[in-house]
Amino acid sequence: SQTIHQWPATLVQPVGSPLSLECTVEGTSNPNLYWYRQAAGRGLQLLFYSVGIGQISSEVPQNLSASRPQDRQFILSSKKLLLSDSGFYLCAWSDLRAGETQYFGPGTRLLVL
Amino acid sequence: RKEVEQDPGPFNVPEGATVAFNCTYSNSASQSFFWYRQDCRKEPKLLMSVYSSGNEDGRFTAQLNRASQYISLLIRDSKLSDSATYLCVVRGGGFKTIFGAGTRLFVKA
Repeated sequence: SQTIHQWPATLVQPVGSPLSLECTVEGTSNPNLYWYRQAAGRGLQLLFYSVGIGQISSEVPQNLSASRPQDRQFILSSKKLLLSDSGFYLCAWSDLRAGETQYFGPGTRLLVL
Repeated sequence: RKEVEQDPGPFNVPEGATVAFNCTYSNSASQSFFWYRQDCRKEPKLLMSVYSSGNEDGRFTAQLNRASQYISLLIRDSKLSDSATYLCVVRGGGFKTIFGAGTRLFVKA
């Protein structure tokens, strides 16, 4: 069966510091991968998606970036965090065999102070 | 107008009650529809997909009305464990997936 991992689970970072969040998927190959952010009390906002290694599409302009160095690894980064980057970051995967239904990792709760 | 709109609630219902949520979407070209459940401080989990003909999974029934551009979720015989936020999800062409902000449900003994 497929599993998706994210780490760290929680993170407290000062404004201006760098960020690296990691997501890995097991039990499937060539998945579509997604990064979402959920602000407190709000809906999920799609940040990036990837259909393959090195292929990244950005949905919203921001100071975040994403990379996919391996088939089942998706990384979210920032060079300098802003207060507004605080939120719940969720990684998800999907594939055609699952009807493109998205399955989420446990998320990373980020607080920027 | 938001692409996907839900009544935020909260809905407070007693155990055993029947409760229904609606969700409207703006893009008539939307292709796939889902309901997810999200517990407090947890990731969303797929509850059920929504098919054109409607579908049922135990106590849960989902309906799609393309003409009026809304989907619904009906929960019968509510349990305490049904307390959660229910997210309406609409997928258009390509990878564009829009999540509603969610409807909060509290089921009380």
